[in-house]
Amino acid sequence: RKEVEQDPGPFNVPEGATVAFNCTYSNSASQSFFWYRQDCRKEPKLLMSVYSSGNEDGRFTAQLNRASQYISLLIRDSKLSDSATYLCVVNLYNFNKFYFGSGTKLNVKP
Amino acid sequence: SQTIHQWPATLVQPVGSPLSLECTVEGTSNPNLYWYRQAAGRGLQLLFYSVGIGQISSEVPQNLSASRPQDRQFILSSKKLLLSDSGFYLCAWSPSLGQGRKETQYFGPGTRLLVL
Repeated sequence: RKEVEQDPGPFNVPEGATVAFNCTYSNSASQSFFWYRQDCRKEPKLLMSVYSSGNEDGRFTAQLNRASQYISLLIRDSKLSDSATYLCVVNLYNFNKFYFGSGTKLNVKP
Repeated sequence: SQTIHQWPATLVQPVGSPLSLECTVEGTSNPNLYWYRQAAGRGLQLLFYSVGIGQISSEVPQNLSASRPQDRQFILSSKKLLLSDSGFYLCAWSPSLGQGRKETQYFGPGTRLLVL
């Protein structure tokens, strides 16, 4: 079983739409959670950390559900520039490894 | 601020040739360092990670090796490349435990390797 699982998509949405991605993780000892964004042929870049109480950064909202072991990312008012692959990442406390999902591809259409 | 460098940016090598990719980090000390490979259209595969000079953990048995000769230098090598070694190689760093920062990884720009 993979440590982190994501729906690969693609999610094709019009500009201005709201879109949500989910990600599940298998290890209940996971402590740190992140969303990364990866543009085509580029390195992944940190989008936002995910906190237990949920957190928001502009149009982006991240939620963590420890009981069900999933993380979500909500994007409101989608822009063309949001088109990318979104990677879910978890880290175990006191370990040095990060576990990446295979990514969810988002295409925002005009 | 911290920066991470990788070179070369692209590389075309024949099968059976050696490989050396270099990664350096600036602006931090004693970072954790990582090598990942990403095949076309696929997720990231962790190859090696290091928590200190000379300390290397291998995640996937293969014809690649890694070394950390200095605190902020991480090198990925191969004696003989295979076709299956083609991919996007990413180096990353994260703060070591106890530095009082949330463990987050930061990636270099990557090296795109094509083995022919």
